[in-house]
Amino acid sequence: KNEVEQSPQNLTAQEGEFITINCSYSVGISALHWLQQHPGGGIVSLFMLSSGKKKHGRLIATINIQEKHSSLHITASHPRDSAVYICAVRSDRDDKIIFGKGTRLHILP
Amino acid sequence: NAGVTQTPKFRVLKTGQSMTLLCAQDMNHEYMYWYRQDPGMGLRLIHYSVGEGTTAKGEVPDGYNVSRLKKQNFLLGLESAAPSQTSVYFCASSYEIGWSSEGYEQYFGPGTRLTVT
Repeated sequence: KNEVEQSPQNLTAQEGEFITINCSYSVGISALHWLQQHPGGGIVSLFMLSSGKKKHGRLIATINIQEKHSSLHITASHPRDSAVYICAVRSDRDDKIIFGKGTRLHILP
Repeated sequence: NAGVTQTPKFRVLKTGQSMTLLCAQDMNHEYMYWYRQDPGMGLRLIHYSVGEGTTAKGEVPDGYNVSRLKKQNFLLGLESAAPSQTSVYFCASSYEIGWSSEGYEQYFGPGTRLTVT
């Protein structure tokens, strides 16, 4: 079983829909990172979280340390949000960074 | 600031050839990383460096060597390329402030697409 699991693997939605991408992990962590990988391949940092909730524009990230779970929400989704969203955690035992396999999001106009 | 840059962007090698990938960052970051990304798999750490003159093995180090002679540069070498090393390679850097999760934020380069035939 992977230490970081993302769901769903693939998601297609209509423009304007509220999107939720989930990340569950099995190790103790010191931080969790949400990244966006554009269709052209570039990787951009979205959020670093160690507790609570963060918001940036239409993106919201939450984390529940007790449940070992984080969600990334996109409100009023737009075709330009189409990308792969990657969750990564930093283990608090050995500082190892573990990546999920990503969620491929496709927003239809 | 240019952020994190990688050279080259694309390369095709024959089996057995050698090459060096260059990563440069202008953010004065202490930590630098080399990852590979393969279809259906998450990013996997090859080697990393916690400061100038230091390097350490990651999850998949075999077949690669690295050097960090200057703080801003991190080089990844393939001494004898194999088809299994066909991949997209990403470099990343971070400042690593331990008291703040933001200190762990990684900044990625644009990637190098390497094909070994």
